[in-house]
Parts: sequence; C-alpha cells; structure tokens
Amino acid sequence: DAGVIQSPRHEVTEMGQEVTLRCKPISGHNSLFWYRQTMMRGLELLIYFNNNVPIDDSGMPEDRFSAKMPNASFSTLKIQPSEPRDSAVYFCASSFDTYNEQFFGPGTRLTVL
Amino acid sequence: SQQGEEDPQALSIQEGENATMNCSYKTSINNLQWYRQNSGRGLVHLILIRSNEREKHSGRLRVTLDTSKKSSSLLITASRAADTASYFCATAADSWGKLQFGAGTQVVVTP
Repeated sequence: DAGVIQSPRHEVTEMGQEVTLRCKPISGHNSLFWYRQTMMRGLELLIYFNNNVPIDDSGMPEDRFSAKMPNASFSTLKIQPSEPRDSAVYFCASSFDTYNEQFFGPGTRLTVL
Repeated sequence: SQQGEEDPQALSIQEGENATMNCSYKTSINNLQWYRQNSGRGLVHLILIRSNEREKHSGRLRVTLDTSKKSSSLLITASRAADTASYFCATAADSWGKLQFGAGTQVVVTP
C-alpha cells in the first residue's frame, strides 16, 4: 500500500489567496483526520471524519477553514482567504475503525506570505 | 488543550544508552499511543497500549501504563543515532478514537 498521500507537499501563497490541500487515505480505512503542526501550538486536530461524515470540527480555527470528504478515498482541506498565521505543516492521517493506530501522510508545508 | 504532557521536553544521550520519557494525562482513556517524528516528516506509530494493559514491548521499545497515576513511560533500549527524533504520546478518550497529542520529547542520540 502506498500509505496516506498528501498533495501538494509544499505550498507558498500570498495572503488572501485560496489554498486547497488534498489527502488520499489508505484504502480500507474509514477514519480520516486533519492536523496542523506549528512550533507554537504543537500538533492540533482540526477535524475528523468517520465513514466520510464529519464527526468533530471543533478544532477548525475559523470559518475560513473548511473540509470535505466526498468519498472514502479523498478529502480536502480548504482555507479561504489564507492569512500568514495559517503557515504551518498540515497532516492528514487515516485509521481502520476507531481506537486504532493512525497512519500519517508526509504533510503539506504551507507558507502564506 | 493538550491531554498528554511529555517529560522531559528534551533528552540528549549517547549511542548504546537507554532513553526514558514520560507522559501524563488528565482524563480516563481507552488507549494511549506513542508516535515518532523525524525532522520534516510525518508521524510514525510506534506502539499502542490499551487501558487494561500495564506493559507492552516492541523490539527495543517498552511502554508502561499506570492508569491509577494517569501516566505512561516509553523506554528505548540500546539507543542508536537513528533514534534521534521527537516522540509524542497521544491519548484516545472519546468514543470516536480522537487522539490528543502532547508537546513531545525531543531526543538526540549522539554517536
């Protein structure tokens, strides 16, 4: 299996632009998680899905952030409009059912200028 | 807010030595997991210990869990330079397996 796939790996954009991050979970996994990691705040859970349904989005910082999972093999995290404080590494992770180990993707390093 | 808090924040040891790091948490859990992150990479799952387990081994890793003290420890024996990484504990407490991560312990192993 290829593991969790994220794209792009690096994104540099200007403040005010829309940013879309993509994730393909491991086939057969039914839970998907989006995290953000910064030096100041550490690893934060933004939102997680179970069977393509958003379960908890309480970690989404603002309405500028939105996430979708249209099917079991694809999810997006969108930031519109982006701000410099959104600069971080964004990770996607998936797991088979609840309470199991999570498999992380390589992350997308986002820089908003 | 973070559920797990690792201690120490940083650890520097020489190859061959053992490395021990601790994790404390606040609420009841279903399981506790340890992850490793190499610089610039995603997290890699190391070991999962359930709330009804007290100790678990995986290769050179040994994890203990004391639910009465709400704490866990990760021991890496005979460390290698390749063990240089940040180590995170994460607790699963809610019914959906949502993980809450600690701030991590940065381990440096020098040859």
